[in-house]
Amino acid sequence: DVKVTQSSRYLVKRTGEKVFLECVQDMDHENMFWYRQDPGLGLRLIYFSYDVKMKEKGDIPEGYSVSREKKERFSLILESASTNQTSMYLCASSSRLGTEAFFGQGTRLTVV
Amino acid sequence: AQSVTQPDIHITVSEGASLELRCNYSYGATPYLFWYVQSPGQGLQLLLKYFSGDTLVQGIKGFEAEFKRSQSSFNLRKPSVHWSDAAEYFCAVEGRSNDYKLSFGAGTTVTVRA
Repeated sequence: DVKVTQSSRYLVKRTGEKVFLECVQDMDHENMFWYRQDPGLGLRLIYFSYDVKMKEKGDIPEGYSVSREKKERFSLILESASTNQTSMYLCASSSRLGTEAFFGQGTRLTVV
Repeated sequence: AQSVTQPDIHITVSEGASLELRCNYSYGATPYLFWYVQSPGQGLQLLLKYFSGDTLVQGIKGFEAEFKRSQSSFNLRKPSVHWSDAAEYFCAVEGRSNDYKLSFGAGTTVTVRA
């Protein structure tokens, strides 16, 4: 069974903290994505990666960075967490263009 | 830049009635097109996708979608909804060549009344 695993379901962090969200897929997929999901705004793409060590900005990259040192792992980093980054974060992976993206269960991050 | 518009934020439909969810996209060429569903408390699941060829695409759970190039639309339909279809539905687009960006619309929430 295909699997995308996000390290935490719920996370509470303080303003100014550096936050790491981890995502691991076991399907040998090339493409990986990070989204945030907010009510009324749908899924907004933060960053994506189509290969190891490759990364591309999505629609809302400000305040975030990513790391992909291994094919199976894609990390999202909030350099200095702010309250407006309180959201549900979803990781996804896909094997190639035009194929199904598989999603993790999400991490609900609250920044206080 | 590619974008996806789902004009309807919320739709309420009676059980057994038909359902149509609208999706319009903006892209230089015909992208790959997808519909995903997110049931309450669940992850996103692919309903169907348009790759090429036949413009009417069949998916899981009795859903279908029609691609209309002239209208840049990819509307989702179901002839008879079930209470279990209550969920949030997302349209998505992905570029075809060297463009790995997978973009989603804002979603349409479907409520099914008995």
